[in-house]
Parts: sequence; C-alpha cells; structure tokens
Amino acid sequence: DTAVSQTPKYLVTQMGNDKSIKCEQNLGHDTMYWYKQDSKKFLKIMFSYNNKELIINETVPNRFSPKSPDKAHLNLHINSLELGDSAVYFCASSQDHRVYGYTFGSGTRLTVV
Amino acid sequence: ILNVEQSPQSLHVQEGDSTNFTCSFPSSNFYALHWYRWETAKSPEALFVMTLNGDEKKKGQISATLNTKEGYSYLYIKGSQPEDSATYLCAFHNFNKFYFGSGTKLNVKP
Repeated sequence: DTAVSQTPKYLVTQMGNDKSIKCEQNLGHDTMYWYKQDSKKFLKIMFSYNNKELIINETVPNRFSPKSPDKAHLNLHINSLELGDSAVYFCASSQDHRVYGYTFGSGTRLTVV
Repeated sequence: ILNVEQSPQSLHVQEGDSTNFTCSFPSSNFYALHWYRWETAKSPEALFVMTLNGDEKKKGQISATLNTKEGYSYLYIKGSQPEDSATYLCAFHNFNKFYFGSGTKLNVKP
C-alpha cells in the first residue's frame, strides 16, 4: 500500500488552463503539505494543513489554492497556469515531524507549454 | 531567507569507499534536523531526525552527527555500496519553518 499517493504522476498542459493535483495519505497523519521543487532542486514549502485547517501558507501566487476535504486528502488546484509553474510538486504528511520526519509522495511533474 | 547548505553537491566513489557529507544551517532557533535519502524516480525517505546537540544516529552502515552550536551535521556512509547511490537531503527546522538543502548526489561505482 502506498502511504502518500499523488495523481497524476505527469501532467502536461497549456498555458492558461486550470488543473488539479490530488494527494491522499493512508497513514492517519494529522498534517499534510505541498512542496515545490524549484529549478535549483530545492524543496520549498507551499502549504501545510493540520486536520483540514490551513497552518502554513507561504508566498505563492493566489492562483494556487489548496483544498483539504478531510485530513487524509490535500489537493492542489492551480488556475491560469503559467510557464513558470513548470516544476515537480511533492505532497507529504507527518504525525510528529520532530520525531519521525515527513513521508513524501512520489511527486507530480507539471509541464506547462 | 534562511540558508541550508550541503556539500559537496555531488560525489563519485568506488564500492567499498567510506564517505561523508556536510549540512550547514543557522545555529539560532534550532528545532530539528532531518536527513533524507532520495533515490532517482522515487520520493525522499526519512533516514534520521535529530533534535539534540551531540546526537548521533546510526542505521546500518549510515550514521549522522549533529552540532547545533556551530550549525552543522555530518552524514557518514561506511563501505559504500552501489545501492547507496542517491541524493542525500538535509532539512533544518526552526520554530516556524522547515528548510531543505539542495542535496548531495552520491554515485557509488561497482
């Protein structure tokens, strides 16, 4: 069983489109995250939800909106996609990150053309 | 903006060599330091979570040390094997946020 699963794995879309990336975790963790891997390979946090409540919202464009219907799901919706949004997006979850760290999904490679 | 630096960026060693890499981070407001192992086409997997100055952790042939006063952590691999080839990421956690380094890419040649 995959602990943190993201879909789709690859997403190619045109500029201006709206797309969503889904994330689900079956670990019973309370907190979920979205990270973006930038061009220099750094993982940078975008959002964090704890039990469906937004707790971290970094400086990302308003076109990015996370949605958490329940604590096992954290989806990322992106409006009006731009070329610069092309990146790999990782979902992660944790229960007590200070003790156990984070469990990551396998990533979604988004390419905007 | 907070810097977490890892060195070297990449490393090529022969099977059986021992190796180590460095993660440097700010020494103030330390909360935790994580090490992750990230194989190509997979997701990062947690190796160690370290919270106390002087911590030493070990998993098989991989070990890590932590110095929070001077802001660095070392990851050691004893007798590298080809299956150890991966990118090793460290992540620094202060009381507010979590910052990843860009990783050290290790290639172990048979």
